[in-house]
Amino acid sequence: DVKVTQSSRYLVKRTGEKVFLECVQDMDHENMFWYRQDPGLGLRLIYFSYDVKMKEKGDIPEGYSVSREKKERFSLILESASTNQTSMYLCASRDGPATYEQYFGPGTRLTVT
Amino acid sequence: DQQVKQNSPSLSVQEGRISILNCDYTNSMFDYFLWYKKYPAEGPTFLISISSIKDKNEDGRFTVFLNKSAKHLSLHIVPSQPGDSAVYFCAANRGSTLGRLYFGRGTQLTVWP
Repeated sequence: DVKVTQSSRYLVKRTGEKVFLECVQDMDHENMFWYRQDPGLGLRLIYFSYDVKMKEKGDIPEGYSVSREKKERFSLILESASTNQTSMYLCASRDGPATYEQYFGPGTRLTVT
Repeated sequence: DQQVKQNSPSLSVQEGRISILNCDYTNSMFDYFLWYKKYPAEGPTFLISISSIKDKNEDGRFTVFLNKSAKHLSLHIVPSQPGDSAVYFCAANRGSTLGRLYFGRGTQLTVWP
């Protein structure tokens, strides 16, 4: 069974802190993605990665960076957290070019105070 | 700019009746479409998909219809059950090998007894 795990379900951080959100998949998938979900705005793509050390900006990369040092792990970094980054963060992964289906983790509810 | 649009933020249907969720897209390069279901505090789960070479795909109670000329797709759920109450997201891919999906903003479906 496909499994995508995220390091925390709930996280509370202070403004200005550096925040790391970790995502691990156990399926040897090539592609990994970070989204945020906000009410009325749907799923918005922050960054994605198509290989180790390779990354692409999504629609809303400002204020975020990512790291993919190993194939199974994709980290989202908030360099200096701000209150407008309070959101649900969702990680997903996808197998090679044969399918477009993405498998999602359970999400991390981040609150920045 | 939203390339995938779900214009109804919510839909309420009685148990046993048909639920029809709609999705419109603007990019004619999209060639694969997916529906995801999301419960609160969980990640989205894949429901059903359709390639642009088809106009219909069925899986049990779920059927997706694609009208390429109108750039419109719909998800039919028959019969609707209270457990179907969730947010439904429409997503599209434009044939990119990187697997990036473009999501709509979602429709909250409520099925009442």
